[in-house]
Amino acid sequence: KAGVTQTPRYLIKTRGQQVTLSCSPISGHRSVSWYQQTPGQGLQFLFEYFSETQRNKGNFPGRFSGRQFSNSRSEMNVSTLELGDSALYLCASSLAWSGTYEQYFGPGTRLTVT
Amino acid sequence: EDQVTQSPEALRLQEGESSSLNCSYTVSGLRGLFWYRQDPGKGPEFLFTLYSAGEEKEKERLKATLTKKESFLHITAPKPEDSATYLCAVSGGGADGLTFGKGTHLIIQP
Repeated sequence: KAGVTQTPRYLIKTRGQQVTLSCSPISGHRSVSWYQQTPGQGLQFLFEYFSETQRNKGNFPGRFSGRQFSNSRSEMNVSTLELGDSALYLCASSLAWSGTYEQYFGPGTRLTVT
Repeated sequence: EDQVTQSPEALRLQEGESSSLNCSYTVSGLRGLFWYRQDPGKGPEFLFTLYSAGEEKEKERLKATLTKKESFLHITAPKPEDSATYLCAVSGGGADGLTFGKGTHLIIQP
């Protein structure tokens, strides 16, 4: 069974630009969550989608947004990039809502903002 | 607000030297406590889920236990390939996704 895939794996952007990251969950998984990982803050929850609906959202500014498609694939978008947005962005999928089901993570997208 | 504190931040052991990693948590209505392992440059790899105090789970050299305030990850006779960062996360009654600790960076020396 294929795991969670994320594209692209590496990205370099300039401050002020926007970026879109993509995530394909494990087949049969309907929940997709996004996390930001930095050395200082660790792993922080961004948002979760289930059946194309955002179920919950972490404490991040509105520049961070996402969506989920009918095939459970998900995208996240960051507009007006700031230097502090440089991080590893991780996508995780689970069978249903992540509160009780384990999440399986992809390899991440390393975003560098210059 | 859910909180997770892991200790120690880093741990260096000799091969075969058993030890335990700690995860202390505060959460309003625990739904699940999760242990992950993360290797450099990779996403976290799922290890265990614990749901209620007194529960224990084992996998090879790893054993996870849960009380009402903390969880332990016991590593028995570790090998160099067990070197990684071990992450603990909780899911609480609120709808805020998983809250992760900062992790324990474990190094097993041959």
